[in-house]
Amino acid sequence: KQEVTQIPAALSVPEGENLVLNCSFTDSAIYNLQWFRQDPGKGLTSLLLIQSSQREQTSGRLNASLDKSSGRSTLYIAASQPGDSATYLCAVRPPGNQFYFGTGTSLTVIP
Amino acid sequence: AAGVIQSPRHLIKEKRETATLKCYPIPRHDTVYWYQQGPGQDPQFLISFYEKMQSDKGSIPDRFSAQQFSDYHSELNMSSLELGDSALYFCASSVWPGGYTGELFFGEGSRLTVL
Repeated sequence: KQEVTQIPAALSVPEGENLVLNCSFTDSAIYNLQWFRQDPGKGLTSLLLIQSSQREQTSGRLNASLDKSSGRSTLYIAASQPGDSATYLCAVRPPGNQFYFGTGTSLTVIP
Repeated sequence: AAGVIQSPRHLIKEKRETATLKCYPIPRHDTVYWYQQGPGQDPQFLISFYEKMQSDKGSIPDRFSAQQFSDYHSELNMSSLELGDSALYFCASSVWPGGYTGELFFGEGSRLTVL
């Protein structure tokens, strides 16, 4: 069974810093990997989707990379802003219809 | 663009009562997922349906049941509610991969409070 781990569990940075969130998974046989953002009491918003054949995806200040062979993905956030404060989750999709979620990283950006 | 629609957004029930949550997936999405998220926890997979048939089962209690209807909307029925059932319940939808990205989209969730 796929296991997904996110490090760190919590992160606090001053505004303007660049930061990296990590996601690791145990089985490299994946179809895609998706990064989500969740604000307290809200739904999960999809940030970036990386197909297994891709190595990275970019959207604005966000860049996600995927190293399938080593079972790792990183989410890079440039020039962090207080509005980036949220919980970030990664989810791995093996071939088929299941998704496996990491435990999330709670990010606080201090003004 | 159309998103995943969940109703009701908030629900308050007494112990031992029954609750029903509804989910309307994004048009043309063939798969619906139900997740339960307790306070401070990551989403826990309950059950999923592909083309109106149950496709995967997670940690769904026996007191809960779900189905997907001919119009692809899904309902999660919860009976004999317990205090521990208080949580955010998310519905998500996707398209079976194979020519599609397989991206997962979530609804805003239904917050169930059991008193």
